Amino acid sequence: AQRVTQPEKLLSVFKGAPVELKCNYSYSGSPELFWYVQYSRQRLQLLLRHISRESIKGFTADLNKGETSFHLKKPFAQEEDSAMYYCALSGSSNTGKLIFGQGTTLQVKP
Amino acid sequence: DAGITQSPRHKVTETGTPVTLRCHQTENHRYMYWYRQDPGHGLRLIHYSYGVKDTDKGEVSDGYSVSRSKTEDFLLTLESATSSQTSVYFCATAPTGGLNTEAFFGQGTRLTVV
Repeated sequence: AQRVTQPEKLLSVFKGAPVELKCNYSYSGSPELFWYVQYSRQRLQLLLRHISRESIKGFTADLNKGETSFHLKKPFAQEEDSAMYYCALSGSSNTGKLIFGQGTTLQVKP
Repeated sequence: DAGITQSPRHKVTETGTPVTLRCHQTENHRYMYWYRQDPGHGLRLIHYSYGVKDTDKGEVSDGYSVSRSKTEDFLLTLESATSSQTSVYFCATAPTGGLNTEAFFGQGTRLTVV
């Protein structure tokens, strides 16, 4: 079955601490993985995607095919990082359909 | 922000009544999607469209229908609303259906069925 799992509903850290939001997936083929973010009172928006291999707002994510994981990391959390984060998978060709995880709320305390 | 607007933004309706949510885009994106967001489930795909008059079911399509008569508009209809359809509904668009394509989201519609 195609599935994305984010085991943490809430992750609370202090400003300056490292952050890791976990994402595991189950998919039989070769999916593309994304992280989307929803800041308070804003739209859901793309944070980063695996194929770009870029760092956005200090966040990085590495695809580990052996562990079927795509964890999101940032070495030093900032208060403005507080948001809801969704890991998503795109596996079906030519439809753009996304399978989302349950979401993790990141709370960065001052 | 992408030119994607949803209407209404909030709605309270009674069980058994039909409800239509509208998604309007000015991006000329070919693909459009309706997702529902529920605690513990994240976002789940209801229906999607890959062109005018071309639609298909998603993961949770029961009780919902869609129509797309022109590129700009994608309508989601709850044929007879039930309390289990209380949710936040998000419209999204994408320029292509490719594996790596970015989805652009509307602001969401909060629907309460009483």
